[in-house]
Amino acid sequence: GNSVTQMEGPVTLSEEAFLTINCTYTATGYPSLFWYVQYPGEGLQLLLKATKADDKGSNKGFEATYRKETTSFHLEKGSVQVSDSAVYFCALPLLNNAGNMLTFGGGTRLMVKP
Amino acid sequence: DAEITQSPRHKITETGRQVTLACHQTWNHNNMFWYRQDLGHGLRLIHYSYGVQDTNKGEVSDGYSVSRSNTEDLPLTLESAASSQTSVYFCASSEQGLNTEAFFGQGTRLTVV
Repeated sequence: GNSVTQMEGPVTLSEEAFLTINCTYTATGYPSLFWYVQYPGEGLQLLLKATKADDKGSNKGFEATYRKETTSFHLEKGSVQVSDSAVYFCALPLLNNAGNMLTFGGGTRLMVKP
Repeated sequence: DAEITQSPRHKITETGRQVTLACHQTWNHNNMFWYRQDLGHGLRLIHYSYGVQDTNKGEVSDGYSVSRSNTEDLPLTLESAASSQTSVYFCASSEQGLNTEAFFGQGTRLTVV
C-alpha cells in the first residue's frame, strides 16, 4: 500500500515566523494528498488537500503543492500565529481504490510562542 | 448540522474486561473507520467498514472487533482489554471516492489498568 513520511517534531517557532513541515510519500499512481490538523483535545480536521500533480491546496494561510517529481507535499505558512499551535498530519489513501481509508504520517507538533 | 460523535470521551477499565466504544455519524456516509493514536506511531487503522454488514481488518486489528448493523453506527469492542490497548481512539467517516474528506470524532481516551 501507499505510505507517507513526515518530519518529526516538535517544531517551535516565534509568532510571524515562516513554517515548513516536510512530507514525502510513496504511492502507485497519483492519489490525492491531504494535510489534517489536530488542535489540543480535539479530533483531526481537514486542513487542505490536492487531488492531482502540480495542484496547490490552500486554507487559513497554509499551502502545500503536490510535486510528483520529488514525491513531496510540504506544508508551508508565511507567518504563523499562536493559534496555529497543533499537531499536523500528512495523509493519503492507503490503497488506490474507492475505499478511501487513509494512512497517516506520524504527525508533527507545532508550538508557536508569542 | 451533521456530525460524528464518540462516547464515552474517557474510560478507565480493568485488564480482561470487555469494553465497547461507540461511534455515531449523521453524515449518512457509507465508509467508517476506527484508528488508534499513540505517541511515536501516529494514527493506525484498526477496522473499517464500507457499508452495512461489511467489516474489514486494518493494520492493528488483533484484540478488536466491530459490527455494522446500520449506516450510522460502528461500535468498537475490545474483547479482553490489555494494557497495550491504552490509547486514544478516533472514529472517522467519509463518502466513497478517492478525493473525499474524512470527518473525525473527538476521540475516546481509554486507559486499561
